[in-house]
Amino acid sequence: GAVVSQHPSWVICKSGTSVKIECRSLDFQATTMFWYRQFPKQSLMLMATSNEGSKATYEQGVEKDKFLINHASLTLSTLTVTSAHPEDSSFYICSAAPGTGGNEGYTFGSGTRLTVV
Amino acid sequence: DAKTTQPTSMDCAEGRAANLPCNHSTISGNEYVYWYRQIHSQGPQYIIHGLKNNETNEMASLIITEDRKSSTLILPHATLRDTAVYYCIVRVPNYGQNFVFGPGTRLSVLP
Repeated sequence: GAVVSQHPSWVICKSGTSVKIECRSLDFQATTMFWYRQFPKQSLMLMATSNEGSKATYEQGVEKDKFLINHASLTLSTLTVTSAHPEDSSFYICSAAPGTGGNEGYTFGSGTRLTVV
Repeated sequence: DAKTTQPTSMDCAEGRAANLPCNHSTISGNEYVYWYRQIHSQGPQYIIHGLKNNETNEMASLIITEDRKSSTLILPHATLRDTAVYYCIVRVPNYGQNFVFGPGTRLSVLP
């Protein structure tokens, strides 16, 4: 089945530094990938939609200059949290849409736990 | 996408069937019902989906009422590892459209 690999699984960084999270589709090509954020005891909230070869589409309230998304290939999308602050500490999850265009569900990565100290 | 309503939490005894309900009374004709689950500190895991017929796979069964206004996810023999938050999502399978997650049902499988 479709596999999405997300790396790292957890990261601790200092305030003011930047952190890059990778999302790879291992056995399929994904023109579109999604980035979600999940705070404790809350559900997943979509941050942005990443499209290969074009600019990402950000949800309302998500700062595009703070959360940089690059989808340079059909198998890799990256999310960079720039100038991270403690309030950015969260669980970040990516998802990839298989390119078949059918009704199957999307595959999600295992998530990245970001802690900013 | 149509809105779904799920109970906040449920308990189930280990080895028994877990029946998780979902109401989607405003579902439209081309919307599918999808079920995902999220085990603590992991990404969501796809379980099953269907349009109007009942579906079964190695993980679960999905029972959709004839009027499609509600559905039930059945885990036939729940184990402790099935403890998770279960999400029922209704959506048109448009490529490039994300899945919208509600609060889901927190299922606790008890020994």
